[in-house]
Amino acid sequence: RKEVEQDPGPFNVPEGATVAFNCTYSNSASQSFFWYRQDCRKEPKLLMSVYSSGNEDGRFTAQLNRASQYISLLIRDSKLSDSATYLCAVPPRGSGNTGKLIFGQGTTLQVKP
Amino acid sequence: NAGVTQTPKFRILKIGQSMTLQCTQDMNHNYMYWYRQDPGMGLKLIYYSVGAGITDKGEVPNGYNVSRSTTEDFPLRLELAAPSQTSVYFCASSSTGQPANYGYTFGSGTRLTVV
Repeated sequence: RKEVEQDPGPFNVPEGATVAFNCTYSNSASQSFFWYRQDCRKEPKLLMSVYSSGNEDGRFTAQLNRASQYISLLIRDSKLSDSATYLCAVPPRGSGNTGKLIFGQGTTLQVKP
Repeated sequence: NAGVTQTPKFRILKIGQSMTLQCTQDMNHNYMYWYRQDPGMGLKLIYYSVGAGITDKGEVPNGYNVSRSTTEDFPLRLELAAPSQTSVYFCASSSTGQPANYGYTFGSGTRLTVV
């Protein structure tokens, strides 16, 4: 199993739709998980952190399922401006206090009018 | 407050040439990282540093070298450039290595093409 795995998509949804994508991870000892947003030809930017069961910020909800070792990102009431690639990131095995992250390949979301 | 600054933004190298990608941060972050991103792929860690004078290899260090003489600067050196090093390079920094607290601040990237 890859350390971090995402469905690359693209997910094509109409404006106003609710969309969710998952990210599976292999390091069962991970305590923190991250979703980054990356616009085309731009740097990734931190969207949300998940440390326990989940986190919510406006239209965005991140949830953690430890038993099945995946995190999910739910976007409600999708906007055109949500179109981007969403990367999940997890500390790798043995990363200790280094701050290292392993990134998934990203899931591309395209919101259509 | 500039954050993380990378230079150059674009570069074309010929096979066998060398170059240094510059990365500077003004946030007094101890932790700095170099990632590369190939088209349609996630980011792969090349090298990282947990403080001035301390560096270590990531997942894909071959063909690269780094140094960290100051807290602010973390340059990435490519020796004998190869087409496989064509990629977008991102530098990132973090205030802490504690998993529960950090998020990265990324630079805007360097797009490198080796021909």
